[in-house]
Amino acid sequence: DGGITQSPKYLFRKEGQNVTLSCEQNLNHDAMYWYRQDPGQGLRLIYYSQIVNDFQKGDIAEGYSVSREKKESFPLTVTSAQKNPTAFYLCASTPSTGPYGYTFGSGTRLTVV
Amino acid sequence: RKEVEQDPGPFNVPEGATVAFNCTYSNSASQSFFWYRQDCRKEPKLLMSVYSSGNEDGRFTAQLNRASQYISLLIRDSKLSDSATYLCVVYTGGFKTIFGAGTRLFVKA
Repeated sequence: DGGITQSPKYLFRKEGQNVTLSCEQNLNHDAMYWYRQDPGQGLRLIYYSQIVNDFQKGDIAEGYSVSREKKESFPLTVTSAQKNPTAFYLCASTPSTGPYGYTFGSGTRLTVV
Repeated sequence: RKEVEQDPGPFNVPEGATVAFNCTYSNSASQSFFWYRQDCRKEPKLLMSVYSSGNEDGRFTAQLNRASQYISLLIRDSKLSDSATYLCVVYTGGFKTIFGAGTRLFVKA
């Protein structure tokens, strides 16, 4: 079955470290997204990508970076510049831009130790 | 004012009850509307889209009121398995999709 695979499920980061969250999809979707979810808040958009080798900042891009070298893959790096990275990170995809329902991966829970 | 607002709850209801959630949105140009379900510590999953004429999927009914800028979700004959957080989601165009913070539902035996 098609879907989105995120790894790892849990990740612990030390102060000053960069960490990379993996997101792979086999849905043949053009558009991919990274969201952050904090308790009591709605999902907030970090980055999105419409096509390979193109991506745009979302509402809270500071301290994060992404790449889109392949259609299937959209990894997110949480850099040391992100001062409050503890959160639940969700990768999602849609066939293209437009009013489509999202397919989400199972998420990565990142904790700073 | 938040772009999408939901009552956080929790709503505590007995099995078999009918429960309704509302969600208000601020952008009158919003184009499409959705309800997602999110179980504890899991990813959100699309429950249903919301159409202007209203739509039903089994025990679930969604309504859209563009004049008052709100959408609703009605769950009839609640099951224990309906316990979850329900997210209201509004698409406003391009890549702009706004997620509400969710309404928590607990269904008790």
